[in-house]
Amino acid sequence: AQKITQTQPGMFVQEKEAVTLDCTYDTSDPSYGLFWYKQPSSGEMIFLIYQGSYDQQNATEGRYSLNFQKARKSANLVISASQLGDSAMYFCAMREATNSGNTPLVFGKGTRLSVIA
Amino acid sequence: EAGVVQSPRYKIIEKKQPVAFWCNPISGHNTLYWYLQNLGQGPELLIRYENEEAVDDSQLPKDRFSAERLKGVDSTLKIQPAELGDSAVYLCASSLRVVDEQFFGPGTRLTVL
Repeated sequence: AQKITQTQPGMFVQEKEAVTLDCTYDTSDPSYGLFWYKQPSSGEMIFLIYQGSYDQQNATEGRYSLNFQKARKSANLVISASQLGDSAMYFCAMREATNSGNTPLVFGKGTRLSVIA
Repeated sequence: EAGVVQSPRYKIIEKKQPVAFWCNPISGHNTLYWYLQNLGQGPELLIRYENEEAVDDSQLPKDRFSAERLKGVDSTLKIQPAELGDSAVYLCASSLRVVDEQFFGPGTRLTVL
């Protein structure tokens, strides 16, 4: 079973508008971490934001915020005031903390975001 | 501070040839990762090192893939012999510890003809 599901292969957003990229996850571990990465055409994966399963508040980093709904197992990324430079692939990832240590990061298939001027 | 360095950025080889990729992690980072990223997919872990020890290599196809991190700093990933299906991007990442965020290099795009 897929651990991370990103249902939007591609998204378009007008410059200066906000956009939400969806991510749902599957785990039975109570302790886990959720990550979002950006991958521009240059290929490098850039860390954006992190949410721990026990964090009480939604994570925010500048224009990025994570809409964490634990009961629904969703961790959507919200980008406010989109910029042309936000055009890239966006990956959601999860790491579980088991008794034997942290599991590797498991990535979704990604969403390609295109920002339109 | 320099990021994760990988070389080469691009490599084109014929099938059955050997190929090697090199990664220099961020200074002081103990944990090093090699990922495989197929077209249209997210990265998948191949191997993780804690210093010079490979602590998770369950996804590494050991019949043709090998990796080393001899002095616990830079690392080499080798494929011998390469197959057509190995065409992908090979990403290296590092983190201070396994619980910390991972920083990725630009990757090596391999094309096997």
